[in-house]
Amino acid sequence: DGGITQSPKYLFRKEGQNVTLSCEQNLNHDAMYWYRQDPGQGLRLIYYSQIVNDFQKGDIAEGYSVSREKKESFPLTVTSAQKNPTAFYLCASSFDLMGQPWAGYTFGSGTRLTVV
Amino acid sequence: AQSVSQHNHHVILSEAASLELGCNYSYGGTVNLFWYVQSPGQGLQLLLKYFSGDTLVQGIKGFEAEFKRSQSSFNLRKPSVHWSDAAEYFCAVSLNDYKLSFGAGTTVTVRA
Repeated sequence: DGGITQSPKYLFRKEGQNVTLSCEQNLNHDAMYWYRQDPGQGLRLIYYSQIVNDFQKGDIAEGYSVSREKKESFPLTVTSAQKNPTAFYLCASSFDLMGQPWAGYTFGSGTRLTVV
Repeated sequence: AQSVSQHNHHVILSEAASLELGCNYSYGGTVNLFWYVQSPGQGLQLLLKYFSGDTLVQGIKGFEAEFKRSQSSFNLRKPSVHWSDAAEYFCAVSLNDYKLSFGAGTTVTVRA
């Protein structure tokens, strides 16, 4: 079945460490997105990519980095510069059909990152 | 500033009661509107979306939403809730740029 796979489901990080969250999709979607979710704040956009080898900062990109070397994959690295990384991270993807009605996102099941 | 507002942070209702969740946005111009639902510890699932045409849209699980341009609103409704509808609900807006901006979410609790 087509979908988005995020791994791991739970991740623990020590202070000062970088960690990478995986996001893979087999939907042949063009665009991929990373959101951070905190209680009572909804979802905030970290980074997005509309095409391979290109990505843009979202609203809260500081302390995060991404790469888009393959259409199917959009990993997110949470660096030691991110001061408050404990959160639920959601990856999403969508078609990028210019001029066509847009179907919105398909979401992965998320990764919960905790700093210990 | 452009924003999406969900004024009810937590709604508690009894099974079989009717549900209405409010969503207002402050973007100008043409918008695309979405409602998503999230079960605890899971990703978001699309309930319904509006692009154009009939302002009353039907979604999955018996949900519907009505777009009112004059009020910049897109409220979600369900005539009779089931215990399985307990979840968090997010309204989202797109400005035809393939990015979604989300409201803060509304948690729905259903009492037996």
